[in-house]
Amino acid sequence: NAGVMQNPRHLVRRRGQEARLRCSPMKGHSHVYWYRQLPEEGLKFMVYLQKENIIDESGMPKERFSAEFPKEGPSILRIQQVVRGDSAAYFCASSPTGTGVTEAFFGQGTRLTVV
Amino acid sequence: DQQVKQNSPSLSVQEGRISILNCDYTNSMFDYFLWYKKYPAEGPTFLISISSIKDKNEDGRFTVFLNKSAKHLSLHIVPSQPGDSAVYFCAAGNAGNMLTFGGGTRLMVKP
Repeated sequence: NAGVMQNPRHLVRRRGQEARLRCSPMKGHSHVYWYRQLPEEGLKFMVYLQKENIIDESGMPKERFSAEFPKEGPSILRIQQVVRGDSAAYFCASSPTGTGVTEAFFGQGTRLTVV
Repeated sequence: DQQVKQNSPSLSVQEGRISILNCDYTNSMFDYFLWYKKYPAEGPTFLISISSIKDKNEDGRFTVFLNKSAKHLSLHIVPSQPGDSAVYFCAAGNAGNMLTFGGGTRLMVKP
């Protein structure tokens, strides 16, 4: 049973380009969480999704950021018109219940660098 | 407004001694607490958890203590080993909600 898979591991974008980060949850998991870790900071919640639904996006910046988790395929975190401040490690986690009371399993992250 | 805080950004401990990592929270609705360990360039991995109905949970060298009245939890590692050197995040959650993480504490265990 493969773990949470994120790709790419490293992504370099120029300012103004779009970044697409992918997350395939563990088999049997239908709940996905995205977190961001800025340099020298902790993990910050961005968005919680179930299949085809955004449950909580309270941590997501209102502009340029969007997330989806379609019925088929991975969850996608999309950042439009990237700026230098978007440079961070983006982690995806999945859980089987979505209740938050069981541990969520994390992927290895995508390190986004905006140049 | 940080609901989960780890006030010590770093901790240095001698191998074989006890490491104590602390975490404070403000939201009394949290009823489940977890510790994650993170190595550089890797995702966090689950370490140990505790439900709010307990005040202690032990797993090998790792013990988590919960003081609900003080809204405080701690992770004890004994004996500490060099391989324990990592960033430790505490997290809190409740049913139907996502996990809220602290800022992390970097533990360095010196041989």
